[in-house]
Amino acid sequence: DAGVTQSPTHLIKTRGQQVTLRCSPKSGHDTVSWYQQALGQGPQFIFQYYEEEERQRGNFPDRFSGHQFPNYSSELNVNALLLGDSALYLCASSPRTDFYEQYFGPGTRLTVT
Amino acid sequence: QKEVEQNSGPLSVPEGAIASLNCTYSDRGSQSFFWYRQYSGKSPELIMSIYSNGDKEDGRFTAQLNKASQYVSLLIRDSQPSDSATYLCAVAGYSSASKIIFGSGTRLSIRP
Repeated sequence: DAGVTQSPTHLIKTRGQQVTLRCSPKSGHDTVSWYQQALGQGPQFIFQYYEEEERQRGNFPDRFSGHQFPNYSSELNVNALLLGDSALYLCASSPRTDFYEQYFGPGTRLTVT
Repeated sequence: QKEVEQNSGPLSVPEGAIASLNCTYSDRGSQSFFWYRQYSGKSPELIMSIYSNGDKEDGRFTAQLNKASQYVSLLIRDSQPSDSATYLCAVAGYSSASKIIFGSGTRLSIRP
């Protein structure tokens, strides 16, 4: 049973560029949440998707957007990258029947130079 | 005031002893409480969830919740070197049922 997968593992971008991160949920899960984790901090909730719609959103600017596909996989897009966007981006999947049963993927380490 | 507060540590505990990790939260409407373990360079892993006041035990782990004091703790009995990790406290509010707020984590080090 495959767990949550994320790609790419690492990414280096320049300020002002745009980036797309990808996530495939654990088998049987239909809900995907995205988090940003800066060094030494806990994960910060960005948004959550199920039924291909954004259902909840944290305190992140509109530069952060997402999408969920019919197969439940998801993308996180960040436009106009800032140095402060450098972080580990985590995807977590859960069944809609239990949002809190979250399984995290290995994350994508984004470095903005 | 941070929504979920934890002592950043590091907390150093001798092998075989009890490690006690604490967390306070600000939203009185919070209904669900979680402890995650995160090894260095890895992603968080859910180890305990608790929803009612009192204690909940799972193997060497005990979660304790006191909603009146807005306090949740995690006890690890018979601490092992493999327990050395960062422990993240997370809280979910009733009004935004699916949004989980994490603390910054406590680094735990088990010394042989």
